Amino acid sequence: ETVMTQSPATLSVSPGERVTLSCRASQSVSSNLAWYQQKRGQAPRLLIYGASTRATGIPARFSGSGSGTEFTLTISSLQSEDFAVYYCQQYNNWPSLTFGGGTKVEIK
Amino acid sequence: EVQLVESGGGLVQPGGSLRLSCAASGFSFSSYWMTWVRQAPGKGLEWVANIKQDGSEKYYVDSVKGRFTISRDNAKNSLYLQMNSLRAEDTAVYYCARSSTAPRPNWFDSWGQGTLVTVSS
Repeated sequence: ETVMTQSPATLSVSPGERVTLSCRASQSVSSNLAWYQQKRGQAPRLLIYGASTRATGIPARFSGSGSGTEFTLTISSLQSEDFAVYYCQQYNNWPSLTFGGGTKVEIK
Repeated sequence: EVQLVESGGGLVQPGGSLRLSCAASGFSFSSYWMTWVRQAPGKGLEWVANIKQDGSEKYYVDSVKGRFTISRDNAKNSLYLQMNSLRAEDTAVYYCARSSTAPRPNWFDSWGQGTLVTVSS
């Protein structure tokens, strides 16, 4: 099984700041990585797939990069609605489609 | 508009059974891999099971193998999860999610609102 590790676990940020979240895979997942946003009490929402392709309707301030075992989700200028938990997920080494443990982005 | 609506959650005793359902609409259900993902209270997301478009392939996380069964009825646009021999650690919100039209599953682009399963005596 491919283990996905996200860091940091919690990030305290002020609105308007640039945010960088990390996701590391225990073995190569090529570019087969997705990112999700989950707000309290809501279902997750797909942000990024293919490591860098924004899903439909996702603002341009969200961008993804990386390949192999190291990935990054960047929010260029954090908006109030972006405070949430972010998860990465690999779909290269299937059938087990594993998620990272999440990074919570909270208000500083 | 894509809609996924789960039902069937509730309180069940350890060792008991429960059947979750997910009603799909707004897309060609039979063209997609479908998935169940769960989230224990205060915890992260965990993939539980996948089923191929025609139901010919099914995959499970190790912790539920032999206890849970994923199935689908393409004529009814519905996905199911039969959960037997439930344990306290199965307590979670269970989400139905749409995956891929490809020969293999990938990301999850649509999610239901989730249904809560609580396993407790």
